[in-house]
Amino acid sequence: EVQLLESGGKLVQPGGSLRLSCEASGFTFRTYSMNWVRQAPGKGLEWVSTITNTGSTTYYADSVKGRFTISRDNSRDTVFLEMNSLRAEDTAVYYCAKGAQFGNWGQGTPVTVSS
Amino acid sequence: DVVMTQSPLSLPVTLGQPASISCRSSQSLVYSDGNTYLNWFLQRPGQSPRRLIYKVSNRDSGVPDRFSGSGSGTDFTLKISRVEPEDIGVYYCMQGSHKYTFGQGTKLEIK
Repeated sequence: EVQLLESGGKLVQPGGSLRLSCEASGFTFRTYSMNWVRQAPGKGLEWVSTITNTGSTTYYADSVKGRFTISRDNSRDTVFLEMNSLRAEDTAVYYCAKGAQFGNWGQGTPVTVSS
Repeated sequence: DVVMTQSPLSLPVTLGQPASISCRSSQSLVYSDGNTYLNWFLQRPGQSPRRLIYKVSNRDSGVPDRFSGSGSGTDFTLKISRVEPEDIGVYYCMQGSHKYTFGQGTKLEIK
């Protein structure tokens, strides 16, 4: 059974930094691209970032480009999202999703950016 | 960037009746490999999203056959032949042909 377990979300001040993790199990992690998607309170889904299976290529939404960095460790079946220069509008639940077509999702980890 | 537009945004339905959601993209979703990467997701209240349909019309494992997806190019539709109580939630279309974009979501609720 595919499982994705996000962690690392918390309350952080504007301008601060945070690193999210998503630990995967139940599939051959190194063969799948991985994604981060966020959902602000009461709002819809917003794609954030994608990393290819080897980690050689990354993609970002314009709203986070230059501030967020996606990476992965295939020896630990884990994908990360490093978030810097955080803003109030980054407040959201952050989900990781498996594969190019988002076939499985984790339960999400909440990030609140507030002073 | 590709814009995905869903309609309606709110869909009151009677249990046992059909429902239909439209999703339109601002440009063709036919990818260079010939596939069309248009997926549908359901987010039930308090839950994570779950994929229902991938590449326009392919149902995911465990998805009831009352759900069907169709369309091509820029116009796509999700149909539910007979709405059941567990179908309540927000439906999102998502394109994966030009990076990724979600539609605004359609809230399906009981009339």
